[in-house]
Amino acid sequence: DAGVIQSPRHEVTEMGQEVTLRCKPISGHNSLFWYRQTMMRGLELLIYFNNNVPIDDSGMPEDRFSAKMPNASFSTLKIQPSEPRDSAVYFCASSLAEKGYTFGSGTRLTVV
Amino acid sequence: RKEVEQDPGPFNVPEGATVAFNCTYSNSASQSFFWYRQDCRKEPKLLMSVYSSGNEDGRFTAQLNRASQYISLLIRDSKLSDSATYLCVALLSGGYNKLIFGAGTRLAVHP
Repeated sequence: DAGVIQSPRHEVTEMGQEVTLRCKPISGHNSLFWYRQTMMRGLELLIYFNNNVPIDDSGMPEDRFSAKMPNASFSTLKIQPSEPRDSAVYFCASSLAEKGYTFGSGTRLTVV
Repeated sequence: RKEVEQDPGPFNVPEGATVAFNCTYSNSASQSFFWYRQDCRKEPKLLMSVYSSGNEDGRFTAQLNRASQYISLLIRDSKLSDSATYLCVALLSGGYNKLIFGAGTRLAVHP
């Protein structure tokens, strides 16, 4: 299995631009999670899906952030418009039932 | 108050030392607990689960005290390769396996 695949690995964009992060979970996993990690705040859960349905998006910072999971093998996290304070590493993770998460390698986002 | 709290460290120890990390959680409804390891600029990876009876995996021992809402990780005979950040994690109940991560404890093992 290729694991959880995220793209791009690195993204540098200008303030105000739209940013789309992508994630392909492990085949067969029914839960998908988006996390953001910064030095100041650690790992923060943004949103998670179960069987492609958003369950809890209370961690999404504000309306500029949106996430979708159109099918079991793909999810996106979009920031529009982006701001410098959005700079962080964004991780996607997937899991099956009570088993532990498997994380993707992350997308390092820099907004200048 | 954060749901999972850890001492951020860093813990600087020589090779061969024994080091212990502690963690507390605030939600008594938390069902399961884990320790994850995260290397610099890498993703977190599951190190081990934590059980009330205590569990051991080689040089690593994890312990859970539900009454005190306290979790520990003991590393014996530290290796240089153990240098990383160790994340304490609680699984919240409610029908979905939602993991809440502590901020992590940084360990640096030196020769």
